[in-house]
Amino acid sequence: DAGITQSPRHKVTETGTPVTLRCHQTENHRYMYWYRQDPGHGLRLIHYSYGVKDTDKGEVSDGYSVSRSKTEDFLLTLESATSSQTSVYFCAIRPATEGFDEQYFGPGTRLTVT
Amino acid sequence: GENVEQHPSTLSVQEGDSAVIKCTYSDSASNYFPWYKQELGKGPQLIIDIRSNVGEKKDQRIAVTLNKTAKHFSLHITETQPEDSAVYFCAASQAGRRALTFGSGTRLQVQP
Repeated sequence: DAGITQSPRHKVTETGTPVTLRCHQTENHRYMYWYRQDPGHGLRLIHYSYGVKDTDKGEVSDGYSVSRSKTEDFLLTLESATSSQTSVYFCAIRPATEGFDEQYFGPGTRLTVT
Repeated sequence: GENVEQHPSTLSVQEGDSAVIKCTYSDSASNYFPWYKQELGKGPQLIIDIRSNVGEKKDQRIAVTLNKTAKHFSLHITETQPEDSAVYFCAASQAGRRALTFGSGTRLQVQP
């Protein structure tokens, strides 16, 4: 998993509660991404980061916020979880090397909102 | 933005046969096309990729072809084995840009 860990790996939470998912990398890669995976949709970008405290929105960012205070950690927060946010969440990294476009994914977090 | 369509959604082949998965993309500025394999309960794993200055790339039993004019690219797996059974995703992006746009996935089942 390219030195990427995600925690927790599984979580069940109730509608309206806040949830934070953590992505940790050991290689100090510059770019980090959060995707969600749902049946029939492949993976869709939620937010991404191109450096410490530098983040931007993806195509499905509503209801999510992110923070990156250290190179190695990228946090995804659901401020008030809804059932539509039940999904599998994947973190990915990409080195900043010129011409290097490959992204590598973590093992995922399965989130169920009841 | 980019839109990637992937077909078929499911594919069943006999061991030893070939499998082909096809994707089309909409943004002519896209120039990086990776393929991922995802096994049950795991994250997607990059298996091969191609850039728009290349028409074909091979890695052992796996090959990818790209037709920029038609805006489609394909994954070819020869001599399939049961361990090739997984979900395969294509994706597209502009090299150096922020993220990948994924197809909806193909579930490949290789029958022994």
